[in-house]
Amino acid sequence: KQEVTQIPAALSVPEGENLVLNCSFTDSAIYNLQWFRQDPGKGLTSLLLIQSSQREQTSGRLNASLDKSSGRSTLYIAASQPGDSATYLCAVGGSGNQFYFGTGTSLTVIP
Amino acid sequence: SQTIHQWPATLVQPVGSPLSLECTVEGTSNPNLYWYRQAAGRGLQLLFYSVGIGQISSEVPQNLSASRPQDRQFILSSKKLLLSDSGFYLCAWSGTGVMNTEAFFGQGTRLTVV
Repeated sequence: KQEVTQIPAALSVPEGENLVLNCSFTDSAIYNLQWFRQDPGKGLTSLLLIQSSQREQTSGRLNASLDKSSGRSTLYIAASQPGDSATYLCAVGGSGNQFYFGTGTSLTVIP
Repeated sequence: SQTIHQWPATLVQPVGSPLSLECTVEGTSNPNLYWYRQAAGRGLQLLFYSVGIGQISSEVPQNLSASRPQDRQFILSSKKLLLSDSGFYLCAWSGTGVMNTEAFFGQGTRLTVV
């Protein structure tokens, strides 16, 4: 069964710093990988979707990469802002129409 | 554009009472539908998913059940709630096909069983 791990579990950075969130998965036979943002008590907001044939996707200050062979993805956030504070989740899309989630990284950006 | 609606937003129910959470999707046809639970300090746990009307796959044996009476309606139910059923329940949809497409989530239901 696919297992997804996110490191670190929590991260605190001063405003303006660039940062990297990590996601690893055990089974490289994936269809895609998706990064989400979750604010406290809210649902998940999709940030970026990377198909298995792609190596990266960019949206504004966010850049996500995928190395399927090594089972890793990173989410790079440039010039962090206090509004970026949230929990970030990665999810791997596998066979059987299923998504497997990591436990998330809680990010705090300090003004 | 597609939207997903989930209600209620919060719910407090006594142990042993029934449960019904509803999720509807607009702007798409024949979506894959999912129910997840997020317990405090833990990741998202897939409870049920459906690839079509009346087709329900269960991931975790428990006292919950799911139904899909219409193409874009997904319902999570229980006949008798347990304290351990407390959590944050999320409905999601994705497109159909061999390759998974992007998943979109509702705003969640905070269930507290007392």
